[in-house]
Amino acid sequence: GAGVSQTPSNKVTEKGKYVELRCDPISGHTALYWYRQSLGQGPEFLIYFQGTGAADDSGLPNDRFFAVRPEGSVSTLKIQRTERGDSAVYLCASSSTGTTNTEAFFGQGTRLTVV
Amino acid sequence: AQSVTQLGSHVSVSEGALVLLRCNYSSSVPPYLFWYVQYPNQGLQLLLKYTSAATLVKGINGFEAEFKKSETSFHLTKPSAHMSDAAEYFCAVSEWGNNDMRFGAGTRLTVKP
Repeated sequence: GAGVSQTPSNKVTEKGKYVELRCDPISGHTALYWYRQSLGQGPEFLIYFQGTGAADDSGLPNDRFFAVRPEGSVSTLKIQRTERGDSAVYLCASSSTGTTNTEAFFGQGTRLTVV
Repeated sequence: AQSVTQLGSHVSVSEGALVLLRCNYSSSVPPYLFWYVQYPNQGLQLLLKYTSAATLVKGINGFEAEFKKSETSFHLTKPSAHMSDAAEYFCAVSEWGNNDMRFGAGTRLTVKP
């Protein structure tokens, strides 16, 4: 596709449930990032993939959060035992090289609401 | 770790007036600095970036920003605001070798007719 695609655009789930958020990066982009944006705040780094491997997962808040990118393209962010505090917009971005001076292209995000 | 502070969560200007959005950074090594814009219901879009070349950086839509090391600042400016500039603006910083791009809390720009 022309840009980064995230699905679903909105997700409402009950506390304690498991959710998966999907990101389709720009074709050919080797680097993929996940961010979380809470209301009134800037995006917060969660994890970075270079190819299939998680090169930096230091931003994942706890072990309920996990992300995969098995074929080096599509990525899935998985959240177990969701809590109300997990409610936020989850943003995905991709870039061609992953070097930190390269432009990252962002998707429109998935708005997760935990009730 | 690197960080940015955006002064003013909300800035309001009249159409045709100067736009000034403030960003100060903290970094232990020479930083890379970015301004992103987020229009309603759209994803973040890069406006401009500083990567240690020219200190005055020109971006899209008439925006520019100047890197001032002595002031640890990277303020975003536009000489004449347009209604279409109304959006949320984010300053971000990263460091070479560190994939953790840190964003500020954002500044919402309102343009009055």
